[in-house]
Amino acid sequence: DAGVIQSPRHEVTEMGQEVTLRCKPISGHNSLFWYRQTMMRGLELLIYFNNNVPIDDSGMPEDRFSAKMPNASFSTLKIQPSEPRDSAVYFCASRTGGGQPQHFGDGTRLSIL
Amino acid sequence: RKEVEQDPGPFNVPEGATVAFNCTYSNSASQSFFWYRQDCRKEPKLLMSVYSSGNEDGRFTAQLNRASQYISLLIRDSKLSDSATYLCVVNGKGGSYIPTFGRGTSLIVHP
Repeated sequence: DAGVIQSPRHEVTEMGQEVTLRCKPISGHNSLFWYRQTMMRGLELLIYFNNNVPIDDSGMPEDRFSAKMPNASFSTLKIQPSEPRDSAVYFCASRTGGGQPQHFGDGTRLSIL
Repeated sequence: RKEVEQDPGPFNVPEGATVAFNCTYSNSASQSFFWYRQDCRKEPKLLMSVYSSGNEDGRFTAQLNRASQYISLLIRDSKLSDSATYLCVVNGKGGSYIPTFGRGTSLIVHP
């Protein structure tokens, strides 16, 4: 079975550029999560979708960050404009139901120069 | 008090040792609990769920203590390959079941 698929695996870009991260959840999973991980802050939940609807976006750091889930099989996390402090590993995860564990994608390693 | 707390370690143990980690949580209404393992520069991977009655998977045993609000992970007969960071996850009550991750406990198993 295919797991959570994220793209790109690595992204290096200059500050001020727009960055778009993509995620395909596991088929049949109705919840999707975006996380950011850094050494300083650990794993932070950015936003959580349930049945394609954003439920909690309180972790989105600021207006430069936006996330969409146009259908059950695709989500994007966009940063515009990007800043060096956005450099981190961004993970996408999905799960079937509230009491179930999440399954993570391989992550996108983002470096903003 | 943080929602989910773990001792960051590192726990440095020899092969064959038994090691245990605890994870405390603040929300008494939390409903589901998990342990994940994360290797360096990799994604977190589910190690095991934690059930109220405790559960075992090979060398790994997980337990839940609701009265004291903590979960534990016991690793017996440690292997070099067990070296990793172990993250606990607590899902809160409510329709959303928002998960909260601990910062992780680092384990180093040496020869």
